[in-house]
Amino acid sequence: DIQLTQSPSFLSASVGDRVTITCRASQGISIYFAWYQQKQGKAPKLLIYAASMLQSGVPSRFTGSGSGTEFTLTISGLQPDDSATYYCQHLSNYPPWTFGQGTTVEI
Amino acid sequence: EVQLVQSGAEVKKPGESLKISCQASGYTFSNYWIGWVRQMPGKGLEWMGIIYPGDSDSRYSPSFEGRVTISADKSITTAFLQWSSLKASDTAMYYCVRPRDCSATRLSVYCNGFDIWGQGTTVTVSS
Repeated sequence: DIQLTQSPSFLSASVGDRVTITCRASQGISIYFAWYQQKQGKAPKLLIYAASMLQSGVPSRFTGSGSGTEFTLTISGLQPDDSATYYCQHLSNYPPWTFGQGTTVEI
Repeated sequence: EVQLVQSGAEVKKPGESLKISCQASGYTFSNYWIGWVRQMPGKGLEWMGIIYPGDSDSRYSPSFEGRVTISADKSITTAFLQWSSLKASDTAMYYCVRPRDCSATRLSVYCNGFDIWGQGTTVTVSS
């Protein structure tokens, strides 16, 4: 199975900051890669799909990039509403489609 | 509006069986994969498995295969997740999910993220 390692596990930043979350795969994977935001007590929300495509309705301050074994989620101009836990996930090859362990962003 | 509406919270004893549901609306149910994600208390997300209602093709995470059964009833546009014998470790929030779009081969399924999530069903297993 492909393992995803997210870093950092926790980060604290200020409004307006630019933050980057990294997800490393145990082997090369295709661009069937997604990022989610989960707020406390809520279902996750899709932010990025196909590694870099912005889901409809998601603010443009969220950007995804990467390929192969390293993928990143960048939030530019951090807002108070961005306090949440962020997860990466690959959805390619034979299932299982693993999630990263999550990154909690505190503002 | 595309939505997934899940059945309500459940409290069960170890060894009991359970079947929770996820009713889909706003899209052609048979044409999209639908799956389940577990979130144990205070923990991260775990993908459990998916099913294609059109032909009932199902794929499971090895971590859950044999422990749960995923099914779908096209006539009522509803997916199900069931256990035959619950354990305390099954205590969790369960989300049904629909991927944006997918392609599939005999061996693999490739999807572009889960864009539709149900509200979640809390399952508590305690003696």
